[in-house]
Amino acid sequence: NAGVMQNPRHLVRRRGQEARLRCSPMKGHSHVYWYRQLPEEGLKFMVYLQKENIIDESGMPKERFSAEFPKEGPSILRIQQVVRGDSAAYFCASSPRGGANEQYFGPGTRLTVT
Amino acid sequence: RKEVEQDPGPFNVPEGATVAFNCTYSNSASQSFFWYRQDCRKEPKLLMSVYSSGNEDGRFTAQLNRASQYISLLIRDSKLSDSATYLCVVNSPGGYNKLIFGAGTRLAVHP
Repeated sequence: NAGVMQNPRHLVRRRGQEARLRCSPMKGHSHVYWYRQLPEEGLKFMVYLQKENIIDESGMPKERFSAEFPKEGPSILRIQQVVRGDSAAYFCASSPRGGANEQYFGPGTRLTVT
Repeated sequence: RKEVEQDPGPFNVPEGATVAFNCTYSNSASQSFFWYRQDCRKEPKLLMSVYSSGNEDGRFTAQLNRASQYISLLIRDSKLSDSATYLCVVNSPGGYNKLIFGAGTRLAVHP
Protein backbone atom coordinates (compact mmCIF):
# COMPACT_ATOMS: atom_id res chain seq x y z
CA ASN A 1 0.00 0.00 0.00
CA ALA A 2 1.79 3.11 -1.23
CA GLY A 3 2.04 5.92 1.26
CA VAL A 4 1.27 9.58 0.73
CA MET A 5 3.14 10.86 -2.30
CA GLN A 6 4.28 14.39 -2.88
CA ASN A 7 6.02 15.94 -5.83
CA PRO A 8 8.24 17.53 -6.58
CA ARG A 9 10.44 16.76 -3.57
CA HIS A 10 12.50 19.90 -4.19
CA LEU A 11 11.36 23.01 -6.00
CA VAL A 12 13.35 26.16 -6.73
CA ARG A 13 11.53 29.28 -7.83
CA ARG A 14 12.61 32.87 -8.39
CA ARG A 15 10.71 35.64 -6.65
CA GLY A 16 7.49 36.39 -8.48
CA GLN A 17 7.07 32.94 -10.05
CA GLU A 18 4.36 30.43 -9.23
CA ALA A 19 4.86 27.23 -7.26
CA ARG A 20 2.60 24.19 -7.60
CA LEU A 21 2.90 21.42 -5.06
CA ARG A 22 1.13 18.11 -5.54
CA CYS A 23 -0.09 15.54 -3.05
CA SER A 24 -1.57 12.11 -3.75
CA PRO A 25 -3.17 10.66 -0.62
CA MET A 26 -2.95 7.06 0.43
CA LYS A 27 -5.29 4.72 -1.38
CA GLY A 28 -8.74 4.93 0.13
CA HIS A 29 -8.09 8.25 1.86
CA SER A 30 -10.34 11.14 0.93
CA HIS A 31 -9.14 13.71 3.49
CA VAL A 32 -6.05 15.82 2.85
CA TYR A 33 -4.24 18.31 5.09
CA TRP A 34 -1.43 20.69 4.20
CA TYR A 35 1.14 21.91 6.74
CA ARG A 36 4.11 24.23 6.41
CA GLN A 37 7.35 23.97 8.36
CA LEU A 38 9.69 26.95 8.46
CA PRO A 39 13.33 26.30 9.43
CA GLU A 40 13.74 25.47 13.12
CA GLU A 41 9.99 25.69 13.72
CA GLY A 42 7.13 23.25 14.19
CA LEU A 43 4.64 22.36 11.50
CA LYS A 44 1.79 24.84 11.05
CA PHE A 45 -1.61 23.80 9.73
CA MET A 46 -2.64 25.47 6.49
CA VAL A 47 -5.74 23.83 5.02
CA TYR A 48 -7.96 20.75 5.23
CA LEU A 49 -9.75 19.44 2.15
CA GLN A 50 -12.02 16.64 1.16
CA LYS A 51 -12.71 15.73 -2.44
CA GLU A 52 -13.90 18.90 -4.21
CA ASN A 53 -14.37 20.79 -0.93
CA ILE A 54 -12.27 23.06 1.25
CA ILE A 55 -13.33 22.28 4.81
CA ASP A 56 -10.98 24.48 6.86
CA GLU A 57 -8.57 27.03 5.41
CA SER A 58 -7.99 28.98 8.60
CA GLY A 59 -4.20 28.53 8.34
CA MET A 60 -3.84 29.76 4.78
CA PRO A 61 -2.34 33.21 4.16
CA LYS A 62 -5.03 35.53 2.84
CA GLU A 63 -3.27 36.26 -0.43
CA ARG A 64 -1.31 34.29 -3.06
CA PHE A 65 -2.07 30.85 -1.58
CA SER A 66 -4.79 28.50 -2.77
CA ALA A 67 -5.53 24.80 -2.52
CA GLU A 68 -7.76 22.32 -4.28
CA PHE A 69 -8.55 18.63 -4.19
CA PRO A 70 -10.40 17.76 -7.41
CA LYS A 71 -12.59 14.74 -7.96
CA GLU A 72 -9.81 13.16 -10.01
CA GLY A 73 -6.12 13.64 -9.46
CA PRO A 74 -3.92 14.92 -6.66
CA SER A 75 -4.45 17.78 -4.27
CA ILE A 76 -2.64 20.94 -5.37
CA LEU A 77 -1.23 23.71 -3.20
CA ARG A 78 -0.57 26.75 -5.34
CA ILE A 79 1.53 29.74 -4.36
CA GLN A 80 1.47 32.70 -6.69
CA GLN A 81 4.16 35.38 -6.90
CA VAL A 82 6.43 33.62 -4.43
CA VAL A 83 8.57 35.60 -2.00
CA ARG A 84 11.65 34.56 -0.03
CA GLY A 85 9.53 34.07 3.09
CA ASP A 86 7.66 31.25 1.34
CA SER A 87 10.80 29.10 1.47
CA ALA A 88 9.87 26.16 3.69
CA ALA A 89 9.01 22.47 3.73
CA TYR A 90 5.40 21.81 2.79
CA PHE A 91 3.95 18.56 4.08
CA CYS A 92 0.76 16.90 3.05
CA ALA A 93 -1.06 14.38 5.24
CA SER A 94 -4.01 12.16 4.46
CA SER A 95 -6.61 10.39 6.54
CA PRO A 96 -9.28 7.81 5.77
CA ARG A 97 -11.81 9.99 7.60
CA GLY A 98 -11.91 13.35 9.29
CA GLY A 99 -10.33 13.67 12.69
CA ALA A 100 -7.02 14.32 14.29
CA ASN A 101 -6.20 10.64 14.53
CA GLU A 102 -4.52 8.70 11.77
CA GLN A 103 -2.97 11.48 9.73
CA TYR A 104 -0.19 10.01 7.59
CA PHE A 105 2.41 12.38 6.23
CA GLY A 106 4.07 12.49 2.85
CA PRO A 107 7.82 13.16 2.42
CA GLY A 108 7.26 16.86 1.83
CA THR A 109 8.22 19.38 -0.83
CA ARG A 110 11.10 21.70 0.00
CA LEU A 111 10.50 25.04 -1.67
CA THR A 112 13.40 27.42 -2.09
CA VAL A 113 12.74 30.92 -3.38
CA THR A 114 15.79 32.71 -4.75
CA ARG B 1 2.29 32.14 24.59
CA LYS B 2 2.79 29.26 22.15
CA GLU B 3 -0.05 26.77 21.85
CA VAL B 4 2.32 23.85 22.42
CA GLU B 5 5.63 24.40 24.19
CA GLN B 6 8.60 22.07 24.35
CA ASP B 7 12.17 22.33 25.54
CA PRO B 8 14.16 22.43 22.27
CA GLY B 9 17.12 20.53 23.76
CA PRO B 10 19.32 19.04 22.54
CA PHE B 11 19.36 16.17 24.96
CA ASN B 12 22.66 14.31 24.58
CA VAL B 13 22.51 10.89 26.25
CA PRO B 14 24.55 7.67 26.09
CA GLU B 15 23.13 4.45 24.76
CA GLY B 16 21.06 2.67 27.38
CA ALA B 17 20.06 5.85 29.21
CA THR B 18 16.52 6.80 30.16
CA VAL B 19 15.38 10.20 28.93
CA ALA B 20 12.17 12.15 29.48
CA PHE B 21 10.62 14.94 27.44
CA ASN B 22 7.89 17.28 28.59
CA CYS B 23 5.39 19.41 26.81
CA THR B 24 2.66 21.85 27.84
CA TYR B 25 -0.34 22.94 25.83
CA SER B 26 -2.41 26.08 26.26
CA ASN B 27 -5.96 25.09 25.32
CA SER B 28 -7.68 23.01 27.96
CA ALA B 29 -10.34 21.95 25.42
CA SER B 30 -7.88 19.87 23.36
CA GLN B 31 -8.98 16.25 23.23
CA SER B 32 -6.33 14.32 21.27
CA PHE B 33 -2.63 14.13 22.04
CA PHE B 34 0.28 12.55 20.23
CA TRP B 35 4.02 12.20 20.06
CA TYR B 36 5.53 12.25 16.57
CA ARG B 37 9.11 11.63 15.61
CA GLN B 38 10.86 13.60 12.88
CA ASP B 39 14.25 12.67 11.45
CA CYS B 40 16.36 15.37 9.86
CA ARG B 41 14.70 16.69 6.69
CA LYS B 42 12.06 13.96 6.75
CA GLU B 43 8.36 13.87 7.41
CA PRO B 44 6.88 13.46 10.90
CA LYS B 45 5.91 9.92 11.80
CA LEU B 46 3.41 9.02 14.48
CA LEU B 47 5.19 7.51 17.46
CA MET B 48 2.20 7.07 19.73
CA SER B 49 -1.10 8.54 20.81
CA VAL B 50 -1.34 9.67 24.43
CA TYR B 51 -4.25 8.62 26.61
CA SER B 52 -5.39 9.97 29.96
CA SER B 53 -4.57 6.71 31.70
CA GLY B 54 -1.04 6.72 30.30
CA ASN B 55 0.16 4.20 27.77
CA GLU B 56 3.24 2.24 26.92
CA ASP B 57 4.66 0.89 23.67
CA GLY B 58 7.83 -1.11 24.21
CA ARG B 59 10.50 1.25 25.50
CA PHE B 60 8.24 4.29 25.16
CA THR B 61 5.80 5.52 27.81
CA ALA B 62 3.51 8.51 27.42
CA GLN B 63 1.61 10.31 30.16
CA LEU B 64 -1.06 13.00 30.09
CA ASN B 65 -2.04 15.32 32.93
CA ARG B 66 -5.12 17.23 31.85
CA ALA B 67 -5.30 19.33 35.01
CA SER B 68 -1.78 20.67 34.41
CA GLN B 69 -2.09 20.54 30.59
CA TYR B 70 1.12 18.59 30.52
CA ILE B 71 2.28 15.67 28.35
CA SER B 72 5.38 13.58 28.80
CA LEU B 73 7.35 10.96 26.89
CA LEU B 74 9.78 8.58 28.56
CA ILE B 75 12.27 6.56 26.53
CA ARG B 76 14.02 3.70 28.31
CA ASP B 77 17.20 1.94 27.18
CA SER B 78 17.95 4.54 24.48
CA LYS B 79 19.27 3.30 21.15
CA LEU B 80 21.38 5.15 18.61
CA SER B 81 18.39 4.91 16.27
CA ASP B 82 16.28 6.96 18.70
CA SER B 83 18.24 10.07 17.71
CA ALA B 84 15.64 12.39 16.18
CA THR B 85 13.40 15.34 17.00
CA TYR B 86 10.33 14.48 19.06
CA LEU B 87 7.23 16.54 18.37
CA CYS B 88 4.45 17.04 20.88
CA VAL B 89 1.13 17.37 19.03
CA VAL B 90 -2.40 18.23 20.13
CA ASN B 91 -5.60 18.69 18.19
CA SER B 92 -7.18 22.10 17.77
CA PRO B 93 -10.41 22.13 19.78
CA GLY B 94 -12.20 24.44 17.35
CA GLY B 95 -11.60 22.14 14.39
CA TYR B 96 -10.84 18.60 15.35
CA ASN B 97 -9.13 17.92 12.07
CA LYS B 98 -6.29 20.34 12.72
CA LEU B 99 -3.10 19.28 14.47
CA ILE B 100 -1.00 21.77 16.45
CA PHE B 101 2.68 20.91 16.61
CA GLY B 102 5.31 21.91 19.12
CA ALA B 103 8.67 22.96 17.70
CA GLY B 104 10.20 19.70 18.90
CA THR B 105 12.83 18.41 21.30
CA ARG B 106 16.05 17.17 19.77
CA LEU B 107 17.54 13.93 21.08
CA ALA B 108 21.06 12.73 20.29
CA VAL B 109 22.03 9.27 21.56
CA HIS B 110 25.77 8.55 21.47
CA PRO B 111 27.73 5.30 21.86
